Amino acid sequence: NAGVTQTPKFQVLKTGQSMTLQCAQDMNHEYMSWYRQDPGMGLRLIHYSVGAGITDQGEVPNGYNVSRSTTEDFPLRLLSAAPSQTSVYFCASRPGLAAYNEQFFGPGTRLTVL
Amino acid sequence: DAKTTQPNSMESNEEEPVHLPCNHSTISGTDYIHWYRQLPSQGPEYVIHGLTSNVNNRMASLAIAEDRKSSTLILHRATLRDAAVYYCILRDNNYQLIWGAGTKLIIKP
Repeated sequence: NAGVTQTPKFQVLKTGQSMTLQCAQDMNHEYMSWYRQDPGMGLRLIHYSVGAGITDQGEVPNGYNVSRSTTEDFPLRLLSAAPSQTSVYFCASRPGLAAYNEQFFGPGTRLTVL
Repeated sequence: DAKTTQPNSMESNEEEPVHLPCNHSTISGTDYIHWYRQLPSQGPEYVIHGLTSNVNNRMASLAIAEDRKSSTLILHRATLRDAAVYYCILRDNNYQLIWGAGTKLIIKP
């Protein structure tokens, strides 16, 4: 299994541009989520999905959209990039909602907005 | 969501045991205690989890206080590859997790 994959690894945008961060998992996990991590900080939840066709907002959803058309893919869209969205973005998945389930993370996308 | 408190950083010598503490005084009965670590420039990776009893796996041991208000992650013999930020997180069946800043573990050769 490839686990959780993310593309691109690095991205530089200008203010106002839009883009999509890709995330895929091949473990047939129901639950997927997106986090951002600012320097020296822990992770903050942006959006999550408990299955295909179901998404919901996390702690910091403003400026981001998600969709979940398949179990495998969970793309994150930046609608109009702002410098405050400069961060490292991590996608994660886990088998289900049970509290004991381990979460698997992708390698991250490092985004800079100029 | 219940919160956790960890020291900002800790130092240890290579090949010695490391005890990383975590306080979670507002833990509820259904909260599992999870530990993840994040190596430099990588995504977090799972280390261990537990509910009430102490747990061991190939990476570490988790010691949980009897009242569950604190726990300790034990690395039995730290190596340079264990240098990372270690996060202690509480999880119930809610969807969201609260991640703190974690403990930066520095291993001295």
